[in-house]
Amino acid sequence: QSALTQPASVSGSPGQSITISCTGTSSDVGDYNFVSWYQQHPGKAPKLMILEVTNRPSGVSDRFSGSKSGNTASLTISGLQAEDEADYYCSSFTSRGTWIFGGGTKVTVL
Amino acid sequence: QVQLVESGGGVVQPGRSLRLSCAASGFTFSGYGMHWVRQAPGKGLEWVALIAHPGGGSDYADSVKGRFTISRDNSKNILYLQMNSLRTDDTALYYCVRKYASGSFDPWGQGTLVTVSS
Repeated sequence: QSALTQPASVSGSPGQSITISCTGTSSDVGDYNFVSWYQQHPGKAPKLMILEVTNRPSGVSDRFSGSKSGNTASLTISGLQAEDEADYYCSSFTSRGTWIFGGGTKVTVL
Repeated sequence: QVQLVESGGGVVQPGRSLRLSCAASGFTFSGYGMHWVRQAPGKGLEWVALIAHPGGGSDYADSVKGRFTISRDNSKNILYLQMNSLRTDDTALYYCVRKYASGSFDPWGQGTLVTVSS
């Protein structure tokens, strides 16, 4: 099964908002609300940022928000900060009972 | 706090086997499903396998099905990944991850590196 589709890179200036898309199919993103997002800094393990499409775990800044429309989920980072520069991955449960990740998006703070 | 510590990685020749371990602490291990996720050097994340709790069924990515086996020892709080018939494209950092709410992955261990090379 192919990875979920994410843009390779997204950039923004400090204080701006950016949005990362995650496009799947009706067999994964479109059919389940089990979409989550992860932040990975270089040399570090990924960190859960959003679960169940829109929910933030305790301790994650409210500058991070998630949404979904049809087969596409999105992660929005508001008030972009230098510490937000990292790779971001989406993930979804699939109709085959497996999980799938996106190809990853590199966020650059200009 | 919740901690996952992987071990068992190393350099192995194609066709050989390797077993990874993940020691869990800080939570009721038997009460959670557990995943293995891998990341090839410079590449993205790839889900590998899941084992349900407390010792139920398992699922695998097509790329490893029939070659890898996930298992757990709830008495020792250890997760395993038996990898057979290893290929060069299995080279990756392998993460042990707890199956959290609604299928999310949290937390992640620091990973153990597997290099398949002749």
